[in-house]
Amino acid sequence: NAGVTQTPKFQVLKTGQSMTLQCAQDMNHEYMSWYRQDPGMGLRLIHYSVGAGITDQGEVPNGYNVSRSTTEDFPLRLLSAAPSQTSVYFCASSYPPGEGEKTQYFGPGTRLLVL
Amino acid sequence: AQSVAQPEDQVNVAEGNPLTVKCTYSVSGNPYLFWYVQYPNRGLQFLLKYITGDNLVKGSYGFEAEFNKSQTSFHLKKPSALVSDSALYFCAVSGSMTAGNKLTFGGGTRVLVKP
Repeated sequence: NAGVTQTPKFQVLKTGQSMTLQCAQDMNHEYMSWYRQDPGMGLRLIHYSVGAGITDQGEVPNGYNVSRSTTEDFPLRLLSAAPSQTSVYFCASSYPPGEGEKTQYFGPGTRLLVL
Repeated sequence: AQSVAQPEDQVNVAEGNPLTVKCTYSVSGNPYLFWYVQYPNRGLQFLLKYITGDNLVKGSYGFEAEFNKSQTSFHLKKPSALVSDSALYFCAVSGSMTAGNKLTFGGGTRVLVKP
């Protein structure tokens, strides 16, 4: 199994540009989520999904959109990039809540620089 | 709301000495506690978790953690640190009353093991 994969690994954007960060998992996990990592702040939850067609906001959702059309894929869209969105983005997946296995498995991350 | 505190930004320890990384938490309901490790330019790797059962949890690479309900703590420990343990460590919490599998992370503790 490839686990959780993310593309691209690194991206430079200009202010106002849009882009999509891709995330895919091959573990048949229902739950997927997006985090951003900033120095000294740990990881903060942006959006999450408990299954195909169901998404919800996390702690810092502004400026980001998500959709979940399949179990495997959970793309994150930046609508109009801002310098404050410069960060490292991680995607994670896990089994559904309540099934006892709550461990989340993380992708390798996407490093985003907004100029 | 749930929260995690990692009071030390950095922990320095000599190789062969015991290593402790502190974590305290706040959550509604029963806590689900996790430790993750991040090596430079890599994603987060799962170390161990507490869901229920024994308060002493053993994980990967010789790490263990002790759950203390009265002190709301979940400190990470290793009896004899290795230089290769130098990394960034994150404590995270979810709860039995938390929607979805939402994890809240601490700010991280950098561990430096000196030869």
